[in-house]
Amino acid sequence: TQLLEQSPQFLSIQEGENLTVYCNSSSVFSSLQWYRQEPGEGPVLLVTVVTGGEVKKLKRLTFQFGDARKDSSLHITAAQPGDTGLYLCAGASGTYKYIFGTGTRLKVLA
Amino acid sequence: DVKVTQSSRYLVKRTGEKVFLECVQDMDHENMFWYRQDPGLGLRLIYFSYDVKMKEKGDIPEGYSVSREKKERFSLILESASTNQTSMYLCASSSYTGQDLETQYFGPGTRLLVL
Repeated sequence: TQLLEQSPQFLSIQEGENLTVYCNSSSVFSSLQWYRQEPGEGPVLLVTVVTGGEVKKLKRLTFQFGDARKDSSLHITAAQPGDTGLYLCAGASGTYKYIFGTGTRLKVLA
Repeated sequence: DVKVTQSSRYLVKRTGEKVFLECVQDMDHENMFWYRQDPGLGLRLIYFSYDVKMKEKGDIPEGYSVSREKKERFSLILESASTNQTSMYLCASSSYTGQDLETQYFGPGTRLLVL
């Protein structure tokens, strides 16, 4: 069974700090996605990474896909209160099926 | 603008009731999904559908059924609600692109409480 484990589970930081969240698996994924879910809303796609070693930047967010395509990380520079939310990674598990990670709940304090 | 709507944001039902959760998407997407979200467990796939009248079991289908009579609508049915089905239910849709991972568009969720 494919699993995606995220760490840390919870993170509370001050505005302006940097942080990294991780998404790890013992299985190889052809690609991974990161979603952000704000309170009271459904998840929204942030990025898809498809190549081992790939790095993608989205403003202050940097996403990396591990060389072996078993792990991914999300780094946020100078976090802002608007970054608060639940961050989820997701990978494909066969046709049409997705495996979601356990999530990292981030709170950025002003 | 892309839109997935769910019929209710909050529902309170009694044990044994039959519960219908409706999801509608306006993007002409082929694929639709139902997940439940519980703290510490992430999103778990209940059922998905890749075409009208087609359905496939996800990871936790027990106690649920689905219906897709029209392309834009995907319904989740709890045949006899139980307290362990208290959860947040999320509907999503995606368009077939041939890629391993397509963008899923989620509705705002239905928080169901079964008493």
